Amino acid sequence: AQRVTQPEKLLSVFKGAPVELKCNYSYSGSPELFWYVQYSRQRLQLLLRHISRESIKGFTADLNKGETSFHLKKPFAQEEDSAMYYCALSGTASKLTFGTGTRLQVTL
Amino acid sequence: DAGVTQSPTHLIKTRGQHVTLRCSPISGHKSVSWYQQVLGQGPQFIFQYYEKEERGRGNFPDRFSARQFPNYSSELNVNALLLGDSALYLCASSPTGLFSDTQYFGPGTRLTVL
Repeated sequence: AQRVTQPEKLLSVFKGAPVELKCNYSYSGSPELFWYVQYSRQRLQLLLRHISRESIKGFTADLNKGETSFHLKKPFAQEEDSAMYYCALSGTASKLTFGTGTRLQVTL
Repeated sequence: DAGVTQSPTHLIKTRGQHVTLRCSPISGHKSVSWYQQVLGQGPQFIFQYYEKEERGRGNFPDRFSARQFPNYSSELNVNALLLGDSALYLCASSPTGLFSDTQYFGPGTRLTVL
C-alpha cells in the first residue's frame, strides 16, 4: 500500500526564516516523489520532483530512503511562498497518492 | 496551450441524481486521471485512463465510472449522488501515464450535493 504523511496542517514562519515541510512515505518499492503547490485561487501545480534534483524557487527536497522521507526545504522564506503544499508519491502507473497537505504561512 | 480544462466549474445537485464532469487534456497527452479532493484532505485517486483504456482504479464504489474518448478527453460520471460526494473533482493529464510522468492538473469542478 502507498501512504504519504504530512504531519503539519499549518506551518507559520517569518519572512527570511528557514522552512522545512515534512513528508514521510510508505511504499515497498522505489517510488517517484513529488511536491505539488497550490497558490491562492490557482490550480495544483508541480513544484519539484526528486528524480530531476532541481531547485525550484529556492526549494529543494532530498529523498532519504532510510528514513522514507522527502522533506521540502528553503533557506529563506518569502511572502510569495505562502500556499498549500502537497507531497505525493507515484508507485504504480501514474496514480498519485497525496498527503493531506501543509499550509505554509509566511508573515512579516 | 490553455492547459488542462474542466467543465463545469461549479455544479449543484441533489441526492440521488447523477452528474457528468468533463476534462480536456493538454494537447499531446494521452493519459487522463481523475481525483476527488474533499475539504481539508489531499486529492484521492479515482481513475486513470490511457489510450481509452482504464489503467487504474482507486477505492471508489461502482457509482463512479469514467471513459476516455478518441481525442483523449474524458468524462467522469457519478450515479446516485450522496452528500459525501460533495468535493472538488480534479482532472490531470500526462503524456504516457507512466509512474514517472509529471501530471498536470486542471482547475477542478466543485460539486455540491444537497
